This record gives sequence, C-alpha cells and structure tokens, in this order.
Amino acid sequence: GDSVTQMEGPVTLSEEAFLTINCTYTATGYPSLFWYVQYPGEGLQLLLKATKADDKGSNKGFEATYRKETTSFHLEKGSVQVSDSAVYFCALSDQGGGNKLTFGTGTQLKVEL
Amino acid sequence: GAVVSQHPSRVICKSGTSVKIECRSLDFQATTMFWYRQFPKQSLMLMATSNEGSKATYEQGVEKDKFLINHASLTLSTLTVTSAHPEDSSFYICSAINATNEKLFFGSGTQLSVL
Repeated sequence: GDSVTQMEGPVTLSEEAFLTINCTYTATGYPSLFWYVQYPGEGLQLLLKATKADDKGSNKGFEATYRKETTSFHLEKGSVQVSDSAVYFCALSDQGGGNKLTFGTGTQLKVEL
Repeated sequence: GAVVSQHPSRVICKSGTSVKIECRSLDFQATTMFWYRQFPKQSLMLMATSNEGSKATYEQGVEKDKFLINHASLTLSTLTVTSAHPEDSSFYICSAINATNEKLFFGSGTQLSVL
C-alpha cells in the first residue's frame, strides 16, 4: 500500500538557518504530494503541493520539488523564522483517491532566536 | 477563511466509558468528512470516510461498532469511541471537504486519554 516516510523530529534551528525536512514515499501510479503545517492549537493547513513529476510547490518561502526518480518531496526553506515553529506533515493522495490522504509521522520544528 | 472546529481538544476518561468528539464546519457545507487517528511516533491513519446522510465507510482494521460515526447534517460529524480502553488513547483529527470548492480543511484534533 501507499506510505510516506519523513524524518523524525524534533528539529531545532536558530533563526535564519536553512531548513530541510526529508520526505520519501511509496505509491502505485502517480500520486499528488503535499506538505501540511500544524501550528500550536490549530488544524492542519495546506502549505504547498505538487501534482506531477518535477513540479515545484512553494508558499511562504517554503519549497518542495516532486522527484519521481528518487520518490522524494523534501521541504526546504532558506531562512527560518521563530513563527515557522510548528509540526510539518508530508502526505500523498493517490491518483483517483480524491481527498484521501496518506500521511507521514510529522516533524516538529522549533526555531529559536 | 474556512474553519473546522473540533471539540473537545483534550479528554480524559475512565476505561469502559464512551466519548463523543464533534467536528463542525463553521462557514461551509461539508458533504464529506474524514476521521484520522495518530498514535505516538506514528502516521496519521485514516479511520473512516463520512458522507452526510449515509453510513460511514471504514478503513480495514477499524471496528465500526467501536468507533461510531454520525454525519447527520452538512456541518456536523461526530465520532463516538464506545467502551473506551487504554489502547484507544490516541490523537483523533477530523477533516472536511468544502462542497463548493472541494478544498480540504482540518480540525485541530482531540487528544484522548483513557485511564
């Protein structure tokens, strides 16, 4: 079946540091890939997505590129801020799966001054 | 923006009791809602898909008689954990599809602890 593997947290960075959160997936067909973010006390929010190979999703300075050859969708940001502290979830939706999502375990990011 | 309200955010109960979790779409109609569960250090796992006015569709391995789902209106779905046991302690989260634009929104989750 489908699965998503993402790096374990927590990840602690200083403000303005470079962020990478790794995500790899296993799926049949050609899934859509997503990164969701959950700020404390709030629901998961869609951060960015990519629907086909080599697509790059971007939002709020975060980027992730759909790499079919390595089945990866790593999340990156060049300079993190304290306000980026949250839990980040990588997810996929199988072709034809509608809004049914398969999630990774989530990675907690803490950014310090 | 669209908001999904999930209540309660945290509940502690005794073994054998039932717990109800509510998921409301506050400013849109949701024909479909999803219920997920997350055990510590594991992925969010889909438990069931709930369609308004019909029976929920449960994922393999999820006991439908234990996890009762009711989606009686376009803005409310409830998950009742019946006769809860310590192994049911988990983080439960709902999501809802906006019927107008098919966007997906999540609640903030419920941490259930069964003593």
